[in-house]
Amino acid sequence: GAVVSQHPSWVICKSGTSVKIECRSLDFQATTMFWYRQFPKQSLMLMATSNEGSKATYEQGVEKDKFLINHASLTLSTLTVTSAHPEDSSFYICSARDLEGVLGQETQYFGPGTRLLVL
Amino acid sequence: AQKVTQAQTEISVVEKEDVTLDCVYETRDTTYYLFWYKQPPSGELVFLIRRNSFDEQNEISGRYSWNFQKSTSSFNFTITASQVVDSAVYFCALSEYKLSFGAGTTVTVRA
Repeated sequence: GAVVSQHPSWVICKSGTSVKIECRSLDFQATTMFWYRQFPKQSLMLMATSNEGSKATYEQGVEKDKFLINHASLTLSTLTVTSAHPEDSSFYICSARDLEGVLGQETQYFGPGTRLLVL
Repeated sequence: AQKVTQAQTEISVVEKEDVTLDCVYETRDTTYYLFWYKQPPSGELVFLIRRNSFDEQNEISGRYSWNFQKSTSSFNFTITASQVVDSAVYFCALSEYKLSFGAGTTVTVRA
């Protein structure tokens, strides 16, 4: 299957600093990538949809100025958590949409996730 | 609006028992996809299966099998002869374009 990487896998930062998380599709081109957040023992919640070459689309309740998303190429999307606070501590997961097959069936492949701890 | 319901929060079984995870979905779309993902303790989501709304054939892959019934809007997942390595959180998800995840079912398989 398709491979998606995320970097870093772990990050600890001080409150007020910014953190950048990278998401790469390694063996396919992804015009669309998605960013999710998962709190402990909860499900994945979609934060935003990242489209190559255009502005990201944010879900209701997600602050676009706090969670900056850039999809600069067909294989790379970045999420920057600006002025991080302890409540931003979470597991951030990206996925890349791989369009495949004659019928256009699609699958989202997920990165391994990034655990963010804001002190 | 889309919605996915996984009624079982936790399931605990002894090794070699069968486990069935329920998933019920709601959508107004006629074309959609259904997925199952496994999330082991490491956190990484593992893709298990994809079904589109026009394909109601059941599928078996090794010890895993899936039962898709459009009439009842259900997409249930069975692990046959469970093993300790099957211990994980399993998510059912629905997609028309964006994925909506169920709350997840934690499966614990005891040796």
